[in-house]
Amino acid sequence: QQPVQSPQAVILREGEDAVINCSSSKALYSVHWYRQKHGEAPVFLMILLKGGEQKGHDKISASFNEKKQQSSLYLTASQLSYSGTYFCGTEKEYGNKLVFGAGTILRVKS
Amino acid sequence: DAGVTQSPTHLIKTRGQQVTLRCSPKSGHDTVSWYQQALGQGPQFIFQYYEEEERQRGNFPDRFSGHQFPNYSSELNVNALLLGDSALYLCASMNNPTEAFFGQGTRLTVV
Repeated sequence: QQPVQSPQAVILREGEDAVINCSSSKALYSVHWYRQKHGEAPVFLMILLKGGEQKGHDKISASFNEKKQQSSLYLTASQLSYSGTYFCGTEKEYGNKLVFGAGTILRVKS
Repeated sequence: DAGVTQSPTHLIKTRGQQVTLRCSPKSGHDTVSWYQQALGQGPQFIFQYYEEEERQRGNFPDRFSGHQFPNYSSELNVNALLLGDSALYLCASMNNPTEAFFGQGTRLTVV
């Protein structure tokens, strides 16, 4: 089952904050976050593991609510370089395939 | 350190033809996954290769097949191309089944 991302799109001014959400109907082992700029490959940002272990990007944070099977990606003091499409990918078990959401388009304006 | 490299970058094929896409994983990575990304959509999992075997497969027809070589590089083959196969095909490599590194992709257009 494909995770559901919200919002579908968001426009920010530089310095504003944004939250992108990812929900799954299935129990998850991990949630992965990627950013893709137009014409480029998705770039790894963050992984949230069941049990609370977290890795990731130095200017972006995320949370994983295991009870609700929801993850949120927090972008604070946004920069122009944050623009792109953000995807969450969910993993049901360790080593299982990543299933990606439809993406959230983020545009940061000066 | 070279990242994940894919070839070719762009390809135009005619309906009914066959195509082979290639992927060289990041150094030290032994697992390769292939994804299809239609315009405006998230990547859809096709299959994953580990130790030259197909380990997992998504909901794609048998027209989609693959191979992994002893040096961990991989190929994706698509037979009897349909217009709907037009998409960006992404290869991702990893050395453990968590953090995936994507290549730039191959843009396939079927006419």
